[in-house]
Amino acid sequence: GAGVSQTPSNKVTEKGKYVELRCDPISGHTALYWYRQSLGQGPEFLIYFQGTGAADDSGLPNDRFFAVRPEGSVSTLKIQRTERGDSAVYLCASSPILAGGGDTQYFGPGTRLTVL
Amino acid sequence: AQKVTQAQTEISVVEKEDVTLDCVYETRDTTYYLFWYKQPPSGELVFLIRRNSFDEQNEISGRYSWNFQKSTSSFNFTITASQVVDSAVYFCALSETRYNTDKLIFGTGTRLQVFP
Repeated sequence: GAGVSQTPSNKVTEKGKYVELRCDPISGHTALYWYRQSLGQGPEFLIYFQGTGAADDSGLPNDRFFAVRPEGSVSTLKIQRTERGDSAVYLCASSPILAGGGDTQYFGPGTRLTVL
Repeated sequence: AQKVTQAQTEISVVEKEDVTLDCVYETRDTTYYLFWYKQPPSGELVFLIRRNSFDEQNEISGRYSWNFQKSTSSFNFTITASQVVDSAVYFCALSETRYNTDKLIFGTGTRLQVFP
């Protein structure tokens, strides 16, 4: 079946602009995660959704970052007033069940965000 | 604090050599999960293995094997008879279940280059 998809694959924007990154999880997966990967580093957790609600947003770096998942499927990560330090690859992952069981997360190809 | 350490930044081998990638983790939980992911040049994270903290049996899958030792908090990954296609960055990750979120804590990765 189809894996996790993310759009766009690449996004170039100017400092101060607003961007939206989209994630379409594997069909039927209830848990959805966003991570950010900077060059040469491992992915870092941003936010976790159980269904429609953000159950853990402890990884969001500041209030310029926000994410939604209004119908419990597709999620959008929104970044306001982008800064050059926001440049990274943003990864989305989904897993079949709710958290607590260490279920495997399946990752999308990522969106490479470049802030000029 | 939760932490994953992959001390080997980069490893280079010649095809058909065996290679072991080290992973050491820190956690206060008694229930946790460990993962290995592969990130080829294309960038997508590919799931390799999931292991829970109560299962210390070593696992073999084709040319891949994993050695989990709770006594040393290590979860090492060995590739036997390496191939050029094994060239990638490999990440070890830890998931705790204490807070009902399965967010992954990643190491910084080990870049493996296999030369023909």
